[in-house]
Amino acid sequence: DVVMTQSPLSLPVTLGQPASISCRSSQSLVHSDGNTYFNWFHQRPGQSPRRLIYKVSNRDSGVPDRFSGSGSGTEFTLKISRVEAEDVGVYYCMQATLFPLTFGGGTRVEIK
Amino acid sequence: EVQVEESGGGLVQPGGSLRLSCAVTGFPFSAYYMDWVRQAPVRGLEWLGRIRNKGQSYTTEYAPSVKGRFTISRDDLKNSLYLQMNSLDTDDTALYFCVGDRDGAGAFWGQGSLVTVSS
Repeated sequence: DVVMTQSPLSLPVTLGQPASISCRSSQSLVHSDGNTYFNWFHQRPGQSPRRLIYKVSNRDSGVPDRFSGSGSGTEFTLKISRVEAEDVGVYYCMQATLFPLTFGGGTRVEIK
Repeated sequence: EVQVEESGGGLVQPGGSLRLSCAVTGFPFSAYYMDWVRQAPVRGLEWLGRIRNKGQSYTTEYAPSVKGRFTISRDDLKNSLYLQMNSLDTDDTALYFCVGDRDGAGAFWGQGSLVTVSS
């Protein structure tokens, strides 16, 4: 199975400041069709996960442009340009290139 | 607006069975692949399996942890997805999510259906 390793596990942030979360996969996530099926999700307490980013860098509908995704191969990053209070929660990376699909262990973002 | 609603969860004894259902509206259900994902406090998010669309012959994929015990099916006429779970164990206790795939996995999630396996 592809192991997804996120860092850091916990990220205290200051409102209005940038934040960055990394995710590393144990194998390349480039699919034979040329796409890289790598996603980022945000889960607020008591809510279902919500996809923010698909295929590395594409924002889902309604996702603020302060969120951006980048990376390739086995190294990926989610950046928040200016953290807002509603951004707290747990962020997960996920690969959908190889079966079984796998998630990272999560990064908890909290306000300092 | 896409709405995804799971049902059928509850308390079941070890070794028992349970069938979860998922109703989808506001989304061209028949065109898309669908997944089941669960979340347990200790193990985080765990993908369980996928069913493809009619164009891909409704083929399925399963995680090793549930292969042979869980079966995913769908009824496109009812815009519904199902998860038949057999030989349940306490490790299967979790919140089970029905997830729609658009532009890749994880596009739409329900609120989840809680399954508790306990004697």
